Amino acid sequence: GESVGLHLPTLSVQEGDNSIINCAYSNSASDYFIWYKQESGKGPQFIIDIRSNMDKRQGQRVTVLLNKTVKHLSLQIAATQPGDSAVYFCAENTGFQKLVFGTGTRLLVSP
Amino acid sequence: GAGVSQSPSNKVTEKGKDVELRCDPISGHTALYWYRQSLGQGLEFLIYFQGNSAPDKSGLPSDRFSAERTGGSVSTLTIQRTQQEDSAVYLCASSQGGGGHSYEQYFGPGTRLTVT
Repeated sequence: GESVGLHLPTLSVQEGDNSIINCAYSNSASDYFIWYKQESGKGPQFIIDIRSNMDKRQGQRVTVLLNKTVKHLSLQIAATQPGDSAVYFCAENTGFQKLVFGTGTRLLVSP
Repeated sequence: GAGVSQSPSNKVTEKGKDVELRCDPISGHTALYWYRQSLGQGLEFLIYFQGNSAPDKSGLPSDRFSAERTGGSVSTLTIQRTQQEDSAVYLCASSQGGGGHSYEQYFGPGTRLTVT
């Protein structure tokens, strides 16, 4: 079946470092991908999205890269801050506006 | 403007009791979703409403789970005869829907359900 998975369940970085969170997806027909951030006790919060006709999209301190050849998605966070500590989920739109979420990666930022 | 709201924020219930969880989506959003998130896990899709169309119930884990959406706005998720494995955070999300490119889902804070 369709699935979205993550390579690293926990990522620990030092404040100021750049963070890279990876995600693999299996549905080559997915046309839209989103990264969400979830802080403890809160619902997921939209970070950045990308459509399948793009390879890269930049936001404020964040960049999403899409490699359709190997069905790989990554989220890059520049100059990581303690406030970035959270669980990050990738999600793919498999059609009919249904998002399939990965299991999440926990990002821990040390001061 | 106001985001997605859910109530209650926490619910503790005894095994075998019925519970109702409420979701108020963002005004004007035609699509509404329910997810379940167990501790330390990802989001498990439960059900999806889009406008007046029949809901997509493909994610409901058993017939003890049901949901309705009245007037295209507020939604209630009902779990009958709760079991301990139903303990989780239940998240609601809404999006603009309409079949366009408005796939972004806005999430509420969730309801933490504990079945004792």
